[in-house]
Amino acid sequence: SAVISQKPSRDICQRGTSLTIQCQVDSQVTMMFWYRQQPGQSLTLIATANQGSEATYESGFVIDKFPISRPNLTFSTLTVSNMSPEDSSIYLCSVLRRADASEAFFGQGTRLTVV
Amino acid sequence: GNSVTQMEGPVTLSEEAFLTINCTYTATGYPSLFWYVQYPGEGLQLLLKATKADDKGSNKGFEATYRKETTSFHLEKGSVQVSDSAVYFCALSESGGSNYKLTFGKGTLLTVNP
Repeated sequence: SAVISQKPSRDICQRGTSLTIQCQVDSQVTMMFWYRQQPGQSLTLIATANQGSEATYESGFVIDKFPISRPNLTFSTLTVSNMSPEDSSIYLCSVLRRADASEAFFGQGTRLTVV
Repeated sequence: GNSVTQMEGPVTLSEEAFLTINCTYTATGYPSLFWYVQYPGEGLQLLLKATKADDKGSNKGFEATYRKETTSFHLEKGSVQVSDSAVYFCALSESGGSNYKLTFGKGTLLTVNP
């Protein structure tokens, strides 16, 4: 398994501000991902965090709004920029230990409320 | 594209009751199928998985069988406990490596009463 520490666990932010969420894994992993879970909705993949290069974003998500960094094989950040109430969601970090693995592991999530 | 449809909740059962949570999927290839569980205050955990047709995943008394002919992966447990109260997510992934992507259902909240 993989132990994933996500910070902060929750936050309440003012609209127009930005929040950076951190994801730390206890060991090197091949793949890191960021998901969003809007209230009453399913989890949706935002992007794949690539080490040393730009993240790969899913349709509907852009780098200016959700910049992502991955400086090494154990750490990634997701920033939610210029927040609005519609960004209120749970944001989750997920990892694959190996490229051929089928099981993804998840952090506990960051519950974000934008007021 | 891929999609997962699972039974709407919430589901409320008494302890020792039989549980079924339905899950059907749409995929263009040959996906792997998963059930994830999220206990109150915790992150998602993999409950069980099946990677090919007719495989049965099982864990903690839960079972699900990969049915290609009906594109289904229904979750069952013969006798639920209060500690099974959680949100259950059905999910699929179609490929690994750089194309890895999990598609989730909306989740089903299960409450088990003593």
